[in-house]
Amino acid sequence: AQSVTQLGSHVSVSEGALVLLRCNYSSSVPPYLFWYVQYPNQGLQLLLKYTTGATLVKGINGFEAEFKKSETSFHLTKPSAHMSDAAEYFCAVSDSARQLTFGSGTQLTVLP
Amino acid sequence: DAGVIQSPRHEVTEMGQEVTLRCKPISGHNSLFWYRQTMMRGLELLIYFNNNVPIDDSGMPEDRFSAKMPNASFSTLKIQPSEPRDSAVYFCASSLGQGGQPQHFGDGTRLSIL
Repeated sequence: AQSVTQLGSHVSVSEGALVLLRCNYSSSVPPYLFWYVQYPNQGLQLLLKYTTGATLVKGINGFEAEFKKSETSFHLTKPSAHMSDAAEYFCAVSDSARQLTFGSGTQLTVLP
Repeated sequence: DAGVIQSPRHEVTEMGQEVTLRCKPISGHNSLFWYRQTMMRGLELLIYFNNNVPIDDSGMPEDRFSAKMPNASFSTLKIQPSEPRDSAVYFCASSLGQGGQPQHFGDGTRLSIL
């Protein structure tokens, strides 16, 4: 069975500050890992994914995430927050199956 | 390319009425997923199809919920009879159906049962 834990249901950062959203997973097999973003009244959009290969993955809008197997983590970062980054962020894990297991989400607030 | 298309975007109806939500997946995708999102329970997988066949419906809450996929380009989620606790945002997503492939989400249907 797989699971995802997102630490912090709400995170606030100042505009221009580092964004760090935490995700830890459990999986019995090498996982596929994803980050999605959800803006108000919209569906989830894929930010980035890790399948195999390079453990540092770059996504859209300046976000990146690093797969750390020893820590079972896949934290999402962005060096400098923009107001437009305010949204809810979901981490998800999949094994070889088609289903994704989602975390409970982290609401990011960007303060001016 | 067109993304996943859901209709209607908003639905308001009275308790006891039948509700039908519709989804058109991305062309070429062979897996389709229905989710429900609420503040209390977050994002829940209701059912998913592969090659038009239901694979796992363990997330369907009750017999009042049913889903069909008559062909590769169309799926419906039906609630009959509807209840106020069914109020939520319902999302449809599709993917290429292989491990590691991301799911692509529609914009959802916001359902309110009065």
